[in-house]
Amino acid sequence: GAGVSQTPSNKVTEKGKYVELRCDPISGHTALYWYRQSLGQGPEFLIYFQGTGAADDSGLPNDRFFAVRPEGSVSTLKIQRTERGDSAVYLCASSLGPSIMGNEQFFGPGTRLTVL
Amino acid sequence: LAKTTQPISMDSYEGQEVNITCSHNNIATNDYITWYQQFPSQGPRFIIQGYKTKVTNEVASLFIPADRKSSTLSLPRVSLSDTAVYYCLVGGNQGAAGNKLTFGGGTRVLVKP
Repeated sequence: GAGVSQTPSNKVTEKGKYVELRCDPISGHTALYWYRQSLGQGPEFLIYFQGTGAADDSGLPNDRFFAVRPEGSVSTLKIQRTERGDSAVYLCASSLGPSIMGNEQFFGPGTRLTVL
Repeated sequence: LAKTTQPISMDSYEGQEVNITCSHNNIATNDYITWYQQFPSQGPRFIIQGYKTKVTNEVASLFIPADRKSSTLSLPRVSLSDTAVYYCLVGGNQGAAGNKLTFGGGTRVLVKP
């Protein structure tokens, strides 16, 4: 079956621009996570959705970052006024249940964002 | 937050057992420990998860001592295709304020012929 998909796979933008990154989770998965991974480092948690609501957004670095999941399926991560330090791979994951305890997270391939 | 520490890298040879230890001294009572494997240009892939004692599945074992301040991933008889970065993740009680899922820095495992 289809896994988690993310689009675009690569995004190059200029400093100060607005970008949107899309995640299509596995059908039926209620939990969705966004992470950011810089080169040579582990993924850094950004936000977790349970259904349509953001249950934990404590990882978002500042108010330039925002994510939505209006219908409880596809999610969009939005970054305003991009900065060079935002350059990273943005990973999305989904899981069947509301907690990773006993529920495997399935990751997408990521979107590589480059801010020039 | 549970901070995790792993060795940066380790080398092994085909057929050997590889053990990777992750330190998580301030793990919370309701945190689980999950290990992931990541190949270049791919997202992490689940390997194994545990809470305490020992867990075994078809690809790995996970050893967690009673104090839960560390965990060891054991990969039996590695092959060249096991060359990857391995991450431990501590957490799991989503929704609790400030309880972020925390990945370690990763251990780069190189399996040589």
